[in-house]
Amino acid sequence: DGGITQSPKYLFRKEGQNVTLSCEQNLNHDAMYWYRQDPGQGLRLIYYSQIVNDFQKGDIAEGYSVSREKKESFPLTVTSAQKNPTAFYLCASSAREGGNQPQHFGDGTRLSIL
Amino acid sequence: RKEVEQDPGPFNVPEGATVAFNCTYSNSASQSFFWYRQDCRKEPKLLMSVYSSGNEDGRFTAQLNRASQYISLLIRDSKLSDSATYLCVVSPWGGYNKLIFGAGTRLAVHP
Repeated sequence: DGGITQSPKYLFRKEGQNVTLSCEQNLNHDAMYWYRQDPGQGLRLIYYSQIVNDFQKGDIAEGYSVSREKKESFPLTVTSAQKNPTAFYLCASSAREGGNQPQHFGDGTRLSIL
Repeated sequence: RKEVEQDPGPFNVPEGATVAFNCTYSNSASQSFFWYRQDCRKEPKLLMSVYSSGNEDGRFTAQLNRASQYISLLIRDSKLSDSATYLCVVSPWGGYNKLIFGAGTRLAVHP
């Protein structure tokens, strides 16, 4: 079955710690995205990547970093510089750029501070 | 003003009711429009794309009014399983496949 796999489902971060959220897709999609969702709010774009070895900042990139070394993988690191990391993190992918393709989501990672 | 605005609800309706959600967007050059459904503590899932001429998928009908910059979703014969949050999603002009998400409208269907 094709899809997007995020891990872990739940993650706890200590003060001053960096944590990495995994996102893997086997849909052969070129574009991948990371969003953050806070209660009662819409999804906000953190980073996106249209192609391997290339990625761009979204609307709220501060305190986050990404890499795109393989087409299938787009890990997100939440650094200690992100002072309010508690949120629901969603990874998505889409077939191609152009503004007319829906995005498909993984089932998310819930990050909390210890 | 938010780029995509929705009434947060909740809309509490009995089974079998017809319910309509509206959504407005601020960028008149927006290209693509979608409705997603999000169950509690789950990921959003694509419900349907919204086309200029309007489109229907079973009990769901989506309409787009570019002149007024609003999108609507009509659900007929509501089922208990329709209870969820419905996200209005807009893709602005050009560039990569950027999606702007509304905060969602919560629907609760009761027996």
